[in-house]
Amino acid sequence: KAGVTQTPRYLIKTRGQQVTLSCSPISGHRSVSWYQQTPGQGLQFLFEYFSETQRNKGNFPGRFSGRQFSNSRSEMNVSTLELGDSALYLCASSLLLGRDTKNIQYFGAGTRLSVL
Amino acid sequence: GENVEQHPSTLSVQEGDSAVIKCTYSDSASNYFPWYKQELGKRPQLIIDIRSNVGEKKDQRIAVTLNKTAKHFSLHITETQPEDSAVYFCAKEGSQGNLIFGKGTKLSVKP
Repeated sequence: KAGVTQTPRYLIKTRGQQVTLSCSPISGHRSVSWYQQTPGQGLQFLFEYFSETQRNKGNFPGRFSGRQFSNSRSEMNVSTLELGDSALYLCASSLLLGRDTKNIQYFGAGTRLSVL
Repeated sequence: GENVEQHPSTLSVQEGDSAVIKCTYSDSASNYFPWYKQELGKRPQLIIDIRSNVGEKKDQRIAVTLNKTAKHFSLHITETQPEDSAVYFCAKEGSQGNLIFGKGTKLSVKP
């Protein structure tokens, strides 16, 4: 079974540009979560999609948005990039069968975004 | 809130010693508590998890304990080895089934 795939792996952008990152979950997984990882800040939750609907959202500005397609693939978009957006962006997929089940998250390798 | 506090942020031990990482949370609705390990340059991976109906779970040198009354859970690694060096994240299930992570603990095992 193929794991979670994120593309691209590396990205360099300049301030003010926008960027779109892609995440293909494990086959059969309908939940996709996005995280921003910076040194010392751990895994900061951006948002989670399930069946094409955003179910949860973290404390990030509106410049960060996402969507999920009918095949469960998800994209994350960041508009008007700032230097502070430089980070590793991870996505994770899970079966998410509901509460009281083991919603193990499987992570992709991440996209490392550098904003110059 | 649904935050998870994780301590310490860094931990250095000698090879063969034990390492303990602790996490606390505030809400009482969580029933699932996983731990993830992220080696340098790699993706986080699940190493052990525990559900609220048990107080302890062991897997070889790794154990996790849960105290639901006190709202804290801990990761214990015995007989540490250099390959245990990594960042460890605790997490708990949120109100909608998503995972809420701690900020991580960087464990260094010195040979």
